[in-house]
Amino acid sequence: AAGVIQSPRHLIKEKRETATLKCYPIPRHDTVYWYQQGPGQDPQFLISFYEKMQSDKGSIPDRFSAQQFSDYHSELNMSSLELGDSALYFCASSPQGMNTEAFFGQGTRLTVV
Amino acid sequence: DAKTTQPTSMDCAEGRAANLPCNHSTISGNEYVYWYRQIHSQGPQYIIHGLKNNETNEMASLIITEDRKSSTLILPHATLRDTAVYYCIVRVAYRDDKIIFGKGTRLHILP
Repeated sequence: AAGVIQSPRHLIKEKRETATLKCYPIPRHDTVYWYQQGPGQDPQFLISFYEKMQSDKGSIPDRFSAQQFSDYHSELNMSSLELGDSALYFCASSPQGMNTEAFFGQGTRLTVV
Repeated sequence: DAKTTQPTSMDCAEGRAANLPCNHSTISGNEYVYWYRQIHSQGPQYIIHGLKNNETNEMASLIITEDRKSSTLILPHATLRDTAVYYCIVRVAYRDDKIIFGKGTRLHILP
């Protein structure tokens, strides 16, 4: 079965650079969530989209922005990268309807040097 | 903020049942109990969820107390591959309701 696809799997950037992470949800899933997981930390919710509109926002820095496109894939844009942005970034998707579960991708490991 | 309380860590012998408790005393009537696990640095994996009735699937069983203030995830025959951090989450099961991860339980399966 198709899963949530994230790209790239690994990314190395220098401080003050920009990074773009991509997430391709499971087909027919209309909701996408982004999470950040620092070393030794639990996943922290950043932002979510439902039907291409932002539906909720967590502790996402102002330097980060995200959007969901017409094909439901989503991109997380990160600017002015800092060393503390080094983390695993997970995307999850869930389908239409009630009583649903969210499925996570394998993540993008971002290293800022 | 996370609405659940779980033990920080637990051990279980391989082949035995692993019983992971979770307290969610402030759960609302429209909130479900979800369980996810994360095997080292992989994406969190959905295990099971339920509202008030006990649930079972190919991975685990979920036992929810009658007052819904606590639950137990049961892995019937634990294997080394079940070593992971297990998260108990309460969540309104609307399509766009976010998942808030708490501290979770680090489960060690011992050979």
